[in-house]
Amino acid sequence: DAGVIQSPRHEVTEMGQEVTLRCKPISGHDYLFWYRQTMMRGLELLIYFNNNVPIDDSGMPEDRFSAKMPNASFSTLKIQPSEPRDSAVYFCASSRDRGRTGELFFGEGSRLTVL
Amino acid sequence: GDSVTQMEGPVTLSEEAFLTINCTYTATGYPSLFWYVQYPGEGLQLLLKATKADDKGSNKGFEATYRKETTSFHLEKGSVQVSDSAVYFCALSEAGNTPLVFGKGTRLSVIA
Repeated sequence: DAGVIQSPRHEVTEMGQEVTLRCKPISGHDYLFWYRQTMMRGLELLIYFNNNVPIDDSGMPEDRFSAKMPNASFSTLKIQPSEPRDSAVYFCASSRDRGRTGELFFGEGSRLTVL
Repeated sequence: GDSVTQMEGPVTLSEEAFLTINCTYTATGYPSLFWYVQYPGEGLQLLLKATKADDKGSNKGFEATYRKETTSFHLEKGSVQVSDSAVYFCALSEAGNTPLVFGKGTRLSVIA
């Protein structure tokens, strides 16, 4: 079975531009998570979905960030407008449950650089 | 809220040395505890887990014991290899099936 697939792997953009990151979770997984990784703050949970419905978006840093999951096999994380402080690696992960007994499967990440 | 504290890195060891990476947690209930590993250029993957006090998780020569009395879940390996070079994350999931909370990660470099 294919793992979690993210695109693009690398994105370099200029401040003010719109950025869209994409994720395809593992088939059959009901939960999808978006994390952000930086040296300073480590791994932060931004938002997670259950059966395509956003459950908790309290980690989304501000209104410039939005996430959608239009169906069970696709999710996007959008930043508009982007700022240099958004530079980070963004991970998508999926699982059969929220984490207590199961295992999170991570994609390889999307490295974003905002100039 | 729940939190995980890991020892600061980086940790640099020679091949075949003994490894300990400390992890302590704060939680209101009885969480499940995890160690994830991130190899260069890859996403995180589960290394081992323990779901109740005194459980020992183990995998690939790594092990960690859930110590409720000290709220700790230290990662150990008796003899590290160059291929173990990676970032290691301690994590917990609180009762009620909440999302994982991760520590900041500890970078391990093993030199031949």
